[in-house]
Amino acid sequence: AQKVTQAQTEISVVEKEDVTLDCVYETRDTTYYLFWYKQPPSGELVFLIRRNSFDEQNEISGRYSWNFQKSTSSFNFTITASQVVDSAVYFCALSEARSSGSARQLTFGSGTQLTVLP
Amino acid sequence: DSGVTQTPKHLITATGQRVTLRCSPRSGDLSVYWYQQSLDQGLQFLIQYYNGEERAKGNILERFSAQQFPDLHSELNLSSLELGDSALYFCASSDYRGLGGELFFGEGSRLTVL
Repeated sequence: AQKVTQAQTEISVVEKEDVTLDCVYETRDTTYYLFWYKQPPSGELVFLIRRNSFDEQNEISGRYSWNFQKSTSSFNFTITASQVVDSAVYFCALSEARSSGSARQLTFGSGTQLTVLP
Repeated sequence: DSGVTQTPKHLITATGQRVTLRCSPRSGDLSVYWYQQSLDQGLQFLIQYYNGEERAKGNILERFSAQQFPDLHSELNLSSLELGDSALYFCASSDYRGLGGELFFGEGSRLTVL
């Protein structure tokens, strides 16, 4: 069975600090997808990034960057120069790839509450 | 705005009652997923429908049921409600590809059972 572990329950940083959120996953599949979602205080889940298991290139999007390491089954998320608006719960999720249209569900980690202090 | 619409946003009811949560997926998305988010269980997958047919079941209680209608909207029915059913219920949709496509979540329906 697939599993996602986010060991950091809560992280608190001061604005402009860099912060890394850890995500470790378990799956027996060779083809899978990893995701990060953000849940701000308003409650909605906002998609941030998707990465497939064959693409280990790191990705940068503005202040956000993601480090995917298959060897350690990790998919970590770094926010550079954090801002107060980054305060949210961040979820890492795993999906096993199956044929199109078939069942596919996300397994979520328990989330990391990030608080950025002014 | 994800394009997924959920109603109602908030719902307060009593134990033993029955409620229906409604979801309209993004235009063109054939798959609908229901998730439950509670403090003790986190985000749990409940059930998935694809073009009207049930495709996968997760940790959904027998007191809960869902369906997807021909216009692709979906409803989650929760009956014989218990205090522990209080949670945020999310609906999500994805396009026909399923494979690797991200799920787009609605804003959730917050259910409080008193």
